[in-house]
Amino acid sequence: QQKVQQSPESLIVPEGGMASLNCTSSDRNVDYFWWYRQHSGKSPKMLMSIFSNGEKEEGRFTVHLNKASLHTSLHIRDSQPSDSALYLCAAAHSNYQLIWGSGTKLIIKP
Amino acid sequence: NAGVIQTPRHKVTGKGQEATLWCEPISGHSAVFWYRQTIVQGLEFLTYFRNQAPIDDSGMPKERFSAQMPNQSHSTLKIQSTQPQDSAVYLCASSLDEQYFGPGTRLTVL
Repeated sequence: QQKVQQSPESLIVPEGGMASLNCTSSDRNVDYFWWYRQHSGKSPKMLMSIFSNGEKEEGRFTVHLNKASLHTSLHIRDSQPSDSALYLCAAAHSNYQLIWGSGTKLIIKP
Repeated sequence: NAGVIQTPRHKVTGKGQEATLWCEPISGHSAVFWYRQTIVQGLEFLTYFRNQAPIDDSGMPKERFSAQMPNQSHSTLKIQSTQPQDSAVYLCASSLDEQYFGPGTRLTVL
């Protein structure tokens, strides 16, 4: 069973809309969550990380973390066509190794 | 900073042949990870090194896959007797904190 579950598998959002992606870990030993973005034909690039309960905002991107439920969510406001990509969530123990989810494919429709 | 370098970018082998993939991590990064990615399986962890020492190879198919890190400037992933199911993009990442991915090697086994 996948230890990091992402939902939805795919998401279509109109340009300018809000995209909300979810990620939950079933491994209670994780300490950190990472969000990576992978454009088609490219390698994953780190988007945001969160280690503490609460919210973190960077530009149009906001990440929430609830450590009690080991749930994190990524919200993209004013979505742009360039945001279309595979979004990967990863959970980490403090030993560097990441446990990866299977990703959410986001499509922004102009 | 050239980022993580992977060579070759593309490799085509015949069934049963050997393939060696190279990775040059970012200078100063203490951890190196190998993954493979397919549409069906997503991103799969293979193995990782920290300070050149092998830490976890739990994702490696044991019989035909091997990885080494002879010095801090490069790591290799060797696949013996390649099979069509080994066809994938093989990604190397290096890390001090977040993981930085290389461009990947697309392996095609005919």
